[in-house]
Amino acid sequence: EVQLVESGGGLVQPGRSLRLSCAASGFTFDDYAMHWVRQAPGKGLEWVSGISWNSGSIGYADSVKGRFTISRDNAKNSLYLQMNSLRAEDTALYYCAKARTYSYGQGPVDYWGQGTLVTVSS
Amino acid sequence: SYVLTQPPSVSVAPGQTARITCGGNNIGSKSVHWYQQKPGQAPVLVVYDDSDRPSGIPERFSGSNSGNTATLTISRVEAGDEADYYCQVWDSSSDHPGAVFGGGTKLTVL
Repeated sequence: EVQLVESGGGLVQPGRSLRLSCAASGFTFDDYAMHWVRQAPGKGLEWVSGISWNSGSIGYADSVKGRFTISRDNAKNSLYLQMNSLRAEDTALYYCAKARTYSYGQGPVDYWGQGTLVTVSS
Repeated sequence: SYVLTQPPSVSVAPGQTARITCGGNNIGSKSVHWYQQKPGQAPVLVVYDDSDRPSGIPERFSGSNSGNTATLTISRVEAGDEADYYCQVWDSSSDHPGAVFGGGTKLTVL
């Protein structure tokens, strides 16, 4: 059974940093691309970032480019999101999501975690 | 950047057919994926690559894509289908593709 468990969310002041983690199990982690997708309270889904199976290809939404960094550790079956210079508009539930393919830029997300809440407020 | 447009809401009686549209410029040239999200839950993939269904998704869920509109069709709607539905494509117009989601459609079962 595929399991994606996010951690690292919480309340943080504007301008500060936070690092999210995602522990994956139930599938061969290094065969698939991975994504972070967020959802602001009461709003729709917004793709944040994606990374290919071997970290060779990475992409970011314009809204986070230059502030967020995605990475993965295939030896630890883990995905990360380093979030710097956080803003109020980054407040959202952040989902870790598994791609259906090895490349991040194609195909759907076929499994989602339950999300970790990030609240940016003074 | 690429924009996907969905109706905010669709209502249908039980047993009837619901059609949820997703509009985008020449979307027929892209692969469209659909997600169902029930309140308080993570999204679930219900249709991918325009019309394929993941294992475990009922045949009542189907998809089509042509021209400027993709459509998710739910036949014989049940109360349990009430949820938000999102379409998604990849915008490959730059060196680094970005996933684009539609704004979501709330399906109400009357």
